[in-house]
Amino acid sequence: DAKTTQPPSMDCAEGRAANLPCNHSTISGNEYVYWYRQIHSQGPQYIIHGLKNNETNEMASLIITEDRKSSTLILPHATLRDTAVYYCIVRKGGYGGSQGNLIFGKGTKLSVKP
Amino acid sequence: EAGVTQSPTHLIKTRGQQATLRCSPISGHTSVYWYQQALGLGLQFLLWYDEGEERNRGNFPPRFSGRQFPNYSSELNVNALELEDSALYLCASSLGGQYNQPQHFGDGTRLSIL
Repeated sequence: DAKTTQPPSMDCAEGRAANLPCNHSTISGNEYVYWYRQIHSQGPQYIIHGLKNNETNEMASLIITEDRKSSTLILPHATLRDTAVYYCIVRKGGYGGSQGNLIFGKGTKLSVKP
Repeated sequence: EAGVTQSPTHLIKTRGQQATLRCSPISGHTSVYWYQQALGLGLQFLLWYDEGEERNRGNFPPRFSGRQFPNYSSELNVNALELEDSALYLCASSLGGQYNQPQHFGDGTRLSIL
């Protein structure tokens, strides 16, 4: 699976949009971009994933560049409860085989401040 | 819909003992993954089970083992416990087979070795 690069930390003001970047310059055609977050002492929470089109759900939006070498997770109106470590993960699509686990990096620690 | 449930929440053992951790996946999910999150080391993949079979294994010694039952619940067993086994053990489940299905995590079992 391709490696990802994220800034170690970011701050965001409460109520503002949080834009978390991720570089995945070695991504291949069948690899998906996944975002998870982990609030202290809890299990990682799935946020969103996409292949090449932009995606939106009730939690966030995922913007993937046309060349797919980078992406941005957008939390449109950050709250204090969004303070967490955010992980960007690239994972192969497809079916079957012996892979399937997620490879977590260090992520971005997002601090939402009042 | 009930999420992934893990038991016990906390477990305290001494060196040399054996620990058993349990996981119930989301209803309808056939794949179960186990991860270890030790302090300062991030999330490391341990084991993946799908349809009762072990599909993949991370870089852990054989004293880490597990199984998946016919109802898709899973057990992680750690034998001959060592101090460095102290960690948060996370279970995740997903629809089986296809890698574009997100994994959903429980809140883990915190294992402490004295």
